[in-house]
Amino acid sequence: AQSVTQPDIHITVSEGASLELRCNYSYGATPYLFWYVQSPGQGLQLLLKYFSGDTLVQGIKGFEAEFKRSQSSFNLRKPSVHWSDAAEYFCAVATGGNEKLTFGTGTRLTIIP
Amino acid sequence: KAGVTQTPRYLIKTRGQQVTLSCSPISGHRSVSWYQQTPGQGLQFLFEYFSETQRNKGNFPGRFSGRQFSNSRSEMNVSTLELGDSALYLCASSLGLATEKLFFGSGTQLSVL
Repeated sequence: AQSVTQPDIHITVSEGASLELRCNYSYGATPYLFWYVQSPGQGLQLLLKYFSGDTLVQGIKGFEAEFKRSQSSFNLRKPSVHWSDAAEYFCAVATGGNEKLTFGTGTRLTIIP
Repeated sequence: KAGVTQTPRYLIKTRGQQVTLSCSPISGHRSVSWYQQTPGQGLQFLFEYFSETQRNKGNFPGRFSGRQFSNSRSEMNVSTLELGDSALYLCASSLGLATEKLFFGSGTQLSVL
């Protein structure tokens, strides 16, 4: 079965600094990969997804992620964070078809002035 | 287009009681998935319904059950509540494939005393 690991439970970044959130997956073939964001008191919102093709994918709110098959990773990046980016970020994997989406445990992002 | 609506927003119950949560998906969406979110555990998949049939099921005890109606609205029921059932329960809807974007509701916060 597929699984997702987000090794960082909590990350603190200064406003304007760059950000990288880590995500590693376990699955034999090429998975479908997603990043979702959850703002306080809200449901989750899709930031971006990777199915195939270009390994660098662009998402909403200035986020991007890079799929690296050799490292089984799909890290999320942003060149300059804003205070409004403070939220919890979830990486997720699907194997296709009707299989369920499996989420990681999340990384909570705190932004300091 | 209205988003995913979950009711009620908050619930307080005592051990041994049962509870029913409701989810109205986006119009046209035939898949409804339920997740349990607790601090440190991320999102744990409960089950998914598609066209009134349970299509996927997570590793939760039989006390957790659900159903979907012909209008795609879904309910989740938890019987004989335990303290550990305290969590945010999220519902998500989509057109049907796991590779598609999930649209999440804001969740129902359940507290079991």
